[in-house]
Amino acid sequence: DTAVSQTPKYLVTQMGNDKSIKCEQNLGHDTMYWYKQDSKKFLKIMFSYNNKELIINETVPNRFSPKSPDKAHLNLHINSLELGDSAVYFCASSRRPGSPYNSPLHFGNGTRLTVT
Amino acid sequence: KNEVEQSPQNLTAQEGEFITINCSYSVGISALHWLQQHPGGGIVSLFMLSSGKKKHGRLIATINIQEKHSSLHITASHPRDSAVYICAGGMDSNYQLIWGAGTKLIIKP
Repeated sequence: DTAVSQTPKYLVTQMGNDKSIKCEQNLGHDTMYWYKQDSKKFLKIMFSYNNKELIINETVPNRFSPKSPDKAHLNLHINSLELGDSAVYFCASSRRPGSPYNSPLHFGNGTRLTVT
Repeated sequence: KNEVEQSPQNLTAQEGEFITINCSYSVGISALHWLQQHPGGGIVSLFMLSSGKKKHGRLIATINIQEKHSSLHITASHPRDSAVYICAGGMDSNYQLIWGAGTKLIIKP
């Protein structure tokens, strides 16, 4: 069984469109994250939720909006997609107390977003 | 200068060689993570350590808190070890990890 699953794996869309990426974890973790991996392979935190509460909200455009309907799900909605949004987006989760420094991260397989 | 520095950036070795990847950090961290990103893109957490040494199979991770340095060793390397290895430091003050740029390892048969 997949521990952290995100869909879709690939997403190709045109500029200006709105798209969503879904993430679900079945590990019983309380904290979930969205990371963006750019062309230089740096992983950059975008958002983190702990028990459905937003705890990290890095400087990302307002076009990006996370939604956590419950602690097992953290979806990422992107409005008005731009060329620069093309990247690989990773969902991850960790256990209580939600601090990644004392809990291993479990990653999804990534969603490769290409904006044309 | 990144607060977490990895070296080397790229490493090519022959199968069977002993591999060492280094990670140095300039900030106070409470734990150091080592992760592996496969060529297919998936990311796997290998180790999380705050002191001493951990071993899992052919992989060994060590950390020296005083010297702010960690190493990842691979014994009897195999082509399937080819991947990008990333270290990241976890801070006490917040929920964030500070990421290294990764080391791309290629093991040739």
